[in-house]
Amino acid sequence: TQLLEQSPQFLSIQEGENLTVYCNSSSVFSSLQWYRQEPGEGPVLLVTVVTGGEVKKLKRLTFQFGDARKDSSLHITAAQPGDTGLYLCAAYKGSGGSNYKLTFGKGTLLTVNP
Amino acid sequence: DADVTQTPRNRITKTGKRIMLECSQTKGHDRMYWYRQDPGLGLRLIYYSFDVKDINKGEISDGYSVSRQAQAKFSLSLESAIPNQTALYFCATSDSLYATSYEQFFGPGTRLTVL
Repeated sequence: TQLLEQSPQFLSIQEGENLTVYCNSSSVFSSLQWYRQEPGEGPVLLVTVVTGGEVKKLKRLTFQFGDARKDSSLHITAAQPGDTGLYLCAAYKGSGGSNYKLTFGKGTLLTVNP
Repeated sequence: DADVTQTPRNRITKTGKRIMLECSQTKGHDRMYWYRQDPGLGLRLIYYSFDVKDINKGEISDGYSVSRQAQAKFSLSLESAIPNQTALYFCATSDSLYATSYEQFFGPGTRLTVL
């Protein structure tokens, strides 16, 4: 059973369009992270959300953590070719003890065409 | 210079060969991790280490072993490589002092092909 379900798996859009990708689970998380991975590189952290209902903005990217801390979304406004990459959500289940292990979703591969 | 480096970046080997992948970091972090990435499967944890004397298995440790030679170095070995170990391998680090974020910093990856 996949702990974190990401959708869609693939997304191809034109420059200037808006998009939303989702990260869902039946589990409650203490924190959730979004990473972006470009070809030939390792994932790089974009944001960490901790509080239920929290919204964070990073330029044209808006991240939301669900009220129940079970899901998250990433919205990109006016996508640009430079946004192309694999977007991964990842989460820790709790605090302390064995909760240092980060579980990753399978990712959403975004292609923004010029 | 990159904070987390991996060597080699690419490796092609044959079934049954012993392979070692190396990871070094200059971030001063105490925690280090090895992941493998397969198309459609995301990143899966192989082993992790909280300090030089602490080594733990991840979700897919069978067929792999690790060594934490120093705080800055964490190597992954495949004792007898098999084709289904063909994958992209990533090393990552994190700092236990920043417990609320636990950001992980990834190396550039090693692409391993086992023929």
